[in-house]
Amino acid sequence: AQSVSQHNHHVILSEAASLELGCNYSYGGTVNLFWYVQYPGQHLQLLLKYFSGDPLVKGIKGFEAEFIKSKFSFNLRKPSVQWSDTAEYFCAVTHSNNAGNMLTFGGGTRLMVKP
Amino acid sequence: DTGVSQNPRHKITKRGQNVTFRCDPISEHNRLYWYRQTLGQGPEFLTYFQNEAQLEKSRLLSDRFSAERPKGSFSTLEIQRTEQGDSAMYLCASSLRRDASTDTQYFGPGTRLTVL
Repeated sequence: AQSVSQHNHHVILSEAASLELGCNYSYGGTVNLFWYVQYPGQHLQLLLKYFSGDPLVKGIKGFEAEFIKSKFSFNLRKPSVQWSDTAEYFCAVTHSNNAGNMLTFGGGTRLMVKP
Repeated sequence: DTGVSQNPRHKITKRGQNVTFRCDPISEHNRLYWYRQTLGQGPEFLTYFQNEAQLEKSRLLSDRFSAERPKGSFSTLEIQRTEQGDSAMYLCASSLRRDASTDTQYFGPGTRLTVL
C-alpha cells in the first residue's frame, strides 16, 4: 500500500523566513500529487497540484512545490512566509492505477508563523 | 460554485446511538468521497461514489457504517451503535471525473462527531 510521509510535524518560523516542508511517498508508479492547507477554523483547501509536465508547480498565495521523481518527493516551498500562512499543511498522493483516485494523506505539518 | 457543504457541523451522541451525516457536493460533480480524520492525523479514505454507485469501501468502514448517494447528488453516512472510537472529523469531498489527469477533490468543512 502506498504511504505518504511528512517529516516535520511542527514548524515555527518568523515572518519573512523561507519555508520548505518535506513530503515523500512510497508508490513507484505514476502519481498525482497535491498539497492541501487547513487554516484555523476552516476546511481543507487545495494549495497546488501536480499531474504531469513541468515538475515545478506554482500554487496560490506564492507557494510552489517541486516533484522530484528520483527522490519520491514533492516538497512545498515559499520564499517569504507571512503570519497569515499559519495553518496545517497536508501532502496527498494518488496514483494512475487507482481507478477511484482516493487520496492518501500524510500526517500533516503544523506551521506557526510568528509576527 | 458553492462549495461542498456538510451537516451537521458538530454532533455529540451517546455510545450506542445511531447518527447520520449529510454531504452536498459541488453541483455537477459526479464523484463523492468520505474520509475520516482523527486528531493529529491526515484524513483517511472511507468510501466513494461515482454518481449513485458506491464503488469502493475501505477496510476502515466496518459493518456499522453505511453510506448512500441515492440520486447521485447528496450523500449520507450513517453510523449505527456508535462507539467512542468513532469520535473523529468526517470529511466529504467531491470531484468532476473526466479522466485521471484532471480529477481534483474539493473538501467540505466536515462533521465533528463526539461519542460520549
